[in-house]
Amino acid sequence: QKEVEQDPGPLSVPEGAIVSLNCTYSNSAFQYFMWYRQYSRKGPELLMYTYSSGNKEDGRFTAQVDKSSKYISLFIRDSQPSDSATYLCAVNYNTDKLIFGTGTRLQVFP
Amino acid sequence: EPEVTQTPSHQVTQMGQEVILRCVPISNHLYFYWYRQILGQKVEFLVSFYNNEISEKSEIFDDQFSVERPDGSNFTLKIRSTKLEDSAMYFCASSVRSVRQGSNQPQHFGDGTRLSIL
Repeated sequence: QKEVEQDPGPLSVPEGAIVSLNCTYSNSAFQYFMWYRQYSRKGPELLMYTYSSGNKEDGRFTAQVDKSSKYISLFIRDSQPSDSATYLCAVNYNTDKLIFGTGTRLQVFP
Repeated sequence: EPEVTQTPSHQVTQMGQEVILRCVPISNHLYFYWYRQILGQKVEFLVSFYNNEISEKSEIFDDQFSVERPDGSNFTLKIRSTKLEDSAMYFCASSVRSVRQGSNQPQHFGDGTRLSIL
């Protein structure tokens, strides 16, 4: 079983839509959960960082962690064409190593 | 906003040659990392570095790889004898603290060096 699984997409939505991006993970020991955005030929850019279960909101972005289901989500409200990118989830616990999902490619069309 | 900078953005090297990838981490960060991303695949951890020594490394990080902090600002990854399969994007990252200190802080990434081995 893969440590982190993420649907690669692509996910194509109209401007203004609510986007839901998801990852599942296998190891219940994971405590730190991150979402990164990666534009083409750029590095991962940190969007959201959460510890343990619960919700965290930052502007149009909401990160949700459900440790009982081993499920993490990123919601984007009022999506914009500039949100078109690949979204990577990442997890870790007691090591330096971030474990990434494959990334979901999002396209927001005008 | 402070950022991690990496040079060069693209490096083309003949197989068997040595290559050095350079990074300037965010200035108040103490932990440094290298990751790689082979085209179409996941971002993979290579190594972490703290207090002038390797903190953790993956099985990918074999004897062909080495890291160094040659001065107060730069952090380098050296590949001694490059192979075709080393072709990838290499990302440097840094953080204020590590989870090993009991208080994790997120890792911030540079834009990467695209390494092409011919």
